Amino acid sequence: GQSLEQPSEVTAVEGAIVQINCTYQTSGFYGLSWYQQHDGGAPTFLSYNALDGLEETGRFSSFLSRSDSYGYLLLQELQMKDSASYFCAVRENGGYQKVTFGTGTKLQVIP
Amino acid sequence: DTGVSQDPRHKITKRGQNVTFRCDPISEHNRLYWYRQTLGQGPEFLTYFQNEAQLEKSRLLSDRFSAERPKGSFSTLEIQRTEQGDSAMYLCASSSEGAGGQFFGPGTRLTVL
Repeated sequence: GQSLEQPSEVTAVEGAIVQINCTYQTSGFYGLSWYQQHDGGAPTFLSYNALDGLEETGRFSSFLSRSDSYGYLLLQELQMKDSASYFCAVRENGGYQKVTFGTGTKLQVIP
Repeated sequence: DTGVSQDPRHKITKRGQNVTFRCDPISEHNRLYWYRQTLGQGPEFLTYFQNEAQLEKSRLLSDRFSAERPKGSFSTLEIQRTEQGDSAMYLCASSSEGAGGQFFGPGTRLTVL
């Protein structure tokens, strides 16, 4: 089966940088995705890593180490609107594209 | 393209009733997923379609749940004989083949009384 671990809550100051970690255990790994979800809203896709290394998209970056079964999401120049839950999600390999989500990290950005 | 849409947005039903939800994916996406999400948890995978073929169904899904995607476009999720434990947000997502991420609809919030 699959299991993912993320911190449940993180608090950071507006303008700062925050890193949200994700470790996973899986029988078959294809890639790691990150999603943002505001209270009452739907998840929004942020980034995807299939290979080791850093992917940068604006203020958000995501990193993957397949050998360590570990990834992180880096948010820079934090804004109040970044307060939300962030989920890592593992895509299984093989013909199917099943995605398993972690339990999420609730980020609170404070002034 | 208006994104993924779901209907209804909210559904309140009595225990034992059947409910059906609809999802319209992004038109060029051939992959469609259904998830269930409860408060404080991540989305839980229910089932997956590639075009009209249902390729995987969660082992956690009881026989009361069924999903269809008859023409490879919109999909329906039916829950028969609803139970209070079925109360949750039901999310639909779509993606194109080879894409890294999925695009989610706004969800249908089900409340079973």
